[in-house]
Amino acid sequence: EAGVAQSPRYKIIEKRQSVAFWCNPISGHATLYWYQQILGQGPKLLIQFQNNGVVDDSQLPKDRFSAERLKGVDSTLKIQPAKLEDSAVYLCASSLGGSGANVLTFGAGSRLTVL
Amino acid sequence: GEDVEQSLFLSVREGDSSVINCTYTDSSSTYLYWYKQEPGAGLQLLTYIFSNMDMKQDQRLTVLLNKKDKHLSLRIADTQTGDSAIYFCAEKAGNNRLAFGKGNQVVVIP
Repeated sequence: EAGVAQSPRYKIIEKRQSVAFWCNPISGHATLYWYQQILGQGPKLLIQFQNNGVVDDSQLPKDRFSAERLKGVDSTLKIQPAKLEDSAVYLCASSLGGSGANVLTFGAGSRLTVL
Repeated sequence: GEDVEQSLFLSVREGDSSVINCTYTDSSSTYLYWYKQEPGAGLQLLTYIFSNMDMKQDQRLTVLLNKKDKHLSLRIADTQTGDSAIYFCAEKAGNNRLAFGKGNQVVVIP
């Protein structure tokens, strides 16, 4: 089966500019996650969708970050305006959800550098 | 809340065993996971263990879970150069999300 697709792989912008990342999850996966991974740290959850509804966005900096999953499939994550501390890899993951092991499958990530 | 702690760096000679440790704080976690991240790549699931198990073995990987101490370990037998990566443990937290540790970098010396 095809994996989780993300684009772009790399993006360099100046602070105060905007950027958008796109994710296409594994077909049939109802749950989609955006994680932020700063260099040297583990992934931190930004937002979690169940189909097209938000389950958890408690750690999303809502003054500058937004995300949507309008048709319950693809998702976009936007940052506007970007700050230097937003430099990180943005990982998208998807899963079937449910009460079992809930294995997350990750995309390769989108690496953002803010200058 | 959940908090996952890991040590940072391990070097091991090819062919030896390597052990990576992790502690977690949420005693209600039902599943615990080990993920591997190679340079420039996303996270790849290695294995997971259900909280009512003490041990799980999968080929060269052995997971040990001590629920009393909230301690999880991953042993890699006969470590290969392809095992060089960062290893993350994670726990299943509320809302079905995974909370990750900071990772442990393993460097395999030929």
